[in-house]
This record gives sequence, C-alpha cells and structure tokens, in this order.
Amino acid sequence: GESVGLHLPTLSVQEGDNSIINCAYSNSASDYFIWYKQESGKGPQFIIDIRSNMDKRQGQRVTVLLNKTVKHLSLQIAATQPGDSAVYFCAEALSGNTPLVFGKGTRLSVIA
Amino acid sequence: GAVVSQHPSWVICKSGTSVKIECRSLDFQATTMFWYRQFPKQSLMLMATSNEGSKATYEQGVEKDKFLINHASLTLSTLTVTSAHPEDSSFYICSAAGGTTSTDTQYFGPGTRLTVL
Repeated sequence: GESVGLHLPTLSVQEGDNSIINCAYSNSASDYFIWYKQESGKGPQFIIDIRSNMDKRQGQRVTVLLNKTVKHLSLQIAATQPGDSAVYFCAEALSGNTPLVFGKGTRLSVIA
Repeated sequence: GAVVSQHPSWVICKSGTSVKIECRSLDFQATTMFWYRQFPKQSLMLMATSNEGSKATYEQGVEKDKFLINHASLTLSTLTVTSAHPEDSSFYICSAAGGTTSTDTQYFGPGTRLTVL
C-alpha cells in the first residue's frame, strides 16, 4: 500500500507485482519530464523521459504516462524486483537544457 | 555513454575552510552543467546553472560569493564552498547536458557528500 512518511511517501510492493508511482507537476508550460531513480548515497539515475507531445512512452520494464490535462505523471514498473527499491523522483523542465524542478520523491520498497 | 563523474565522493573539513568539488563529463561535451544540493530525505534543490565560458546563474537564496562555480571547459565544472560551516553539510550533485544527439537529458554525477565539522 501507499503511506506518507515523515518526509517521503512510501510505496511497498511485493516482488513480481507491478508498481505505479505517481507525480503531480506544477508548470503547465513544462515540455519535458523525466523519472530518476536514486539509491541511497548515490546520484540520480536516469530511467525514462517523455516530452509533452506524447502521452505514453515505454522502456525496458518501465512505462511513463503523461496526462497534461491534470498535470499528472506516472511511472509504471513491471514485475518489480528487489533491485528496484530506491527513491524515485519525477522532474519537469521547459526543455532539456533548462533547470529541472524535482518533485518530492517516492520511496519504493520491494518486499521479497 | 553519458557518464558524469564527481570528485571527491566525500569530504570532511573543518569549519571555515574551503572545499572544491569537481564535476566532469567523461564521454561527451556538456554545454550546460547544473549544481544541486540535497539534504537527507529531501529532494534535489537547484543551486546554479553553469554554461561553459560564462558566469553561472544562481537560484534565489543561493549566495554566489559562498558557492563559487567555474565552468572553464566543456567537460569540467567546479563548485567551491568557501568558508564552509556545519549548515553547509549536504550531498552536492552535479548534472551535465548538451552532449548527446538523441536527447538533451541531464545526466547526473554520483554526488559528493560534504561534512563540515
């Protein structure tokens, strides 16, 4: 289930299940959206990105969905594995070379 | 490809000293580099945007005289924390963009953990 911790919301899923991490972005003019994965003590790792002229993009085991009407972004991870445990951040920008604005992050905890 | 490195990965210093952190794009030329700060259990906060050969653009509330940024080449940017104090202890992360043709995604370095005693 999903719960709100002191600082980061946490999503706990069973290994093998699908995960859905949600993000509400703030700027309707944002053109570029990215999901990053951050493991403890490391820098963010690029997962997948999407531009505003698309509503869905698929990668390996991941899918990003963009709903511009309600300014909502989601990351779907298929067949979640223990190695997927990390904090996931969405980020938005006006373009790829403009500053990113990061969301607060969601901690994904995979239960083996 | 698109590897960004940072050095050092961690540093402990005494209050009042200055610390320099390097950010390098190893296999591409970065027209723009960004510096972020991240406190425990919080998100990344942009400190400044750095373009090669020009002065950095600092975000509101970030002291440019305290956090000196130099972007002397297309593969190197440095952040110097001057007269560091315990409240400057944080995880500093850089990102680089502009070097790939398929996307102008920002690629992040592994971060530098600064502890000021």
